[in-house]
Amino acid sequence: EVELVQSGVEVKKPGESLKISCKASGYSFTSYWIGWVRQVPGKGLEWMGIILPADFETKYSPSFQGQVTISVDKSINTAYLEWNNLKASDTAIYYCARHRDRVTSVRGVVTTYYYGLDVWGQGSTVTVSS
Amino acid sequence: QSALTQPASVSGSPGQSITISCTGTSGDVGGYNYVSWYQQHSGKAPKLLIYEVTNRPPGVSNRFTGSKSGNAASLTISGLQAEDEANYYCSSYTSRSTLIFGGGTRLTV
Repeated sequence: EVELVQSGVEVKKPGESLKISCKASGYSFTSYWIGWVRQVPGKGLEWMGIILPADFETKYSPSFQGQVTISVDKSINTAYLEWNNLKASDTAIYYCARHRDRVTSVRGVVTTYYYGLDVWGQGSTVTVSS
Repeated sequence: QSALTQPASVSGSPGQSITISCTGTSGDVGGYNYVSWYQQHSGKAPKLLIYEVTNRPPGVSNRFTGSKSGNAASLTISGLQAEDEANYYCSSYTSRSTLIFGGGTRLTV
């Protein structure tokens, strides 16, 4: 069974660091992009960024660039989302999700399109409060 | 990047059909056939319903259909059932090589 299992509830103070995890099983971890989605309580989904475990290529939403770091440990099929300086506004549920992709080649230019998030973790709740 | 535009809420009676719109720009919805739709029940993780505008993953009911015209995509749910009551989100690949979600639509059955 294809599954993403995330780390649990975190309660932190502003300014602290945090790294949450997402362990994949049931598929070839290095073959799919994996990314993170934020959901502030009562609000919508926000795409944060993505990483390809095969070569560690990352892409961030402009809204989250420089605010978080996405990484993986291929040896244990685990993706991570990390903060160095948490703010109260980081309080949210964070989901990891496997992304489908399609690679095209037009006149020698290779482009990767990632799109449907077909497998989701259960969510990690992060609360930042003094 | 601004979120794709969805109506805040829609409603329908059991057995009816409803359509949820998702409006973007030529830099996202209009420029790529990489629009997806997700269903999220309260307290649960989202579930992929539609990918690449019209495709359904295995196990998703054929009551859910997707389409696109210009800069707008749509999700139609036919034969509404009580279990369809949830939040629905569209997403699209963008010209910045990122993904963007819509603001979400609350469906009341």
